[in-house]
Amino acid sequence: AAGVIQSPRHLIKEKRETATLKCYPIPRHDTVYWYQQGPGQDPQFLISFYEKMQSDKGSIPDRFSAQQFSDYHSELNMSSLELGDSALYFCASSLRGMNTEAFFGQGTRLTVV
Amino acid sequence: AQKITQTQPGMFVQEKEAVTLDCTYDTSDPSYGLFWYKQPSSGEMIFLIYQGSYDQQNATEGRYSLNFQKARKSANLVISASQLGDSAMYFCPDPAEGQNFVFGPGTRLSVLP
Repeated sequence: AAGVIQSPRHLIKEKRETATLKCYPIPRHDTVYWYQQGPGQDPQFLISFYEKMQSDKGSIPDRFSAQQFSDYHSELNMSSLELGDSALYFCASSLRGMNTEAFFGQGTRLTVV
Repeated sequence: AQKITQTQPGMFVQEKEAVTLDCTYDTSDPSYGLFWYKQPSSGEMIFLIYQGSYDQQNATEGRYSLNFQKARKSANLVISASQLGDSAMYFCPDPAEGQNFVFGPGTRLSVLP
């Protein structure tokens, strides 16, 4: 079965550069979530989208933005990168509802140098 | 909204033995769902099992089962016949709003040969 696809898997950027992470949800899933997991830390919810509209916002910095496109894929745009942005970024997708599981992609490991 | 607690920062188990990872929650909602995820050292977040509050039976998925005790508000994950590949972080996230999971520190399981 198709899973959540994230690209790229690894990314190295310099401080103050920009980065764009992409997420392709499981077909027919209507909701996408982004999480950030710093080294040795718990995953932190950043933002979610339902039917291409922003649904909820977590601890996403103002330097970051995200959107979901008509084909349901989502992109997380990160500007003015800082060393502290180095983390594993997860995308997950699900069908809308309180009690449906979310499936995660393999993550994008971003390293800011 | 729920509040979920995982009280075991680390657990050890001998290969081929069973292990129980604790998860307690606090909610006043009549309908809720509880999830378990596994994160091996490679970083991906893997959905393991789901328990709905109205489910009459404990959820099972292969070697994983949920010891769901509604009155005690606990949903402990039981892994039977532990394998070396079970060594990982295990999360029982708080679904909060929809699947905008709030992850706690999780439990690190180490399976000993």
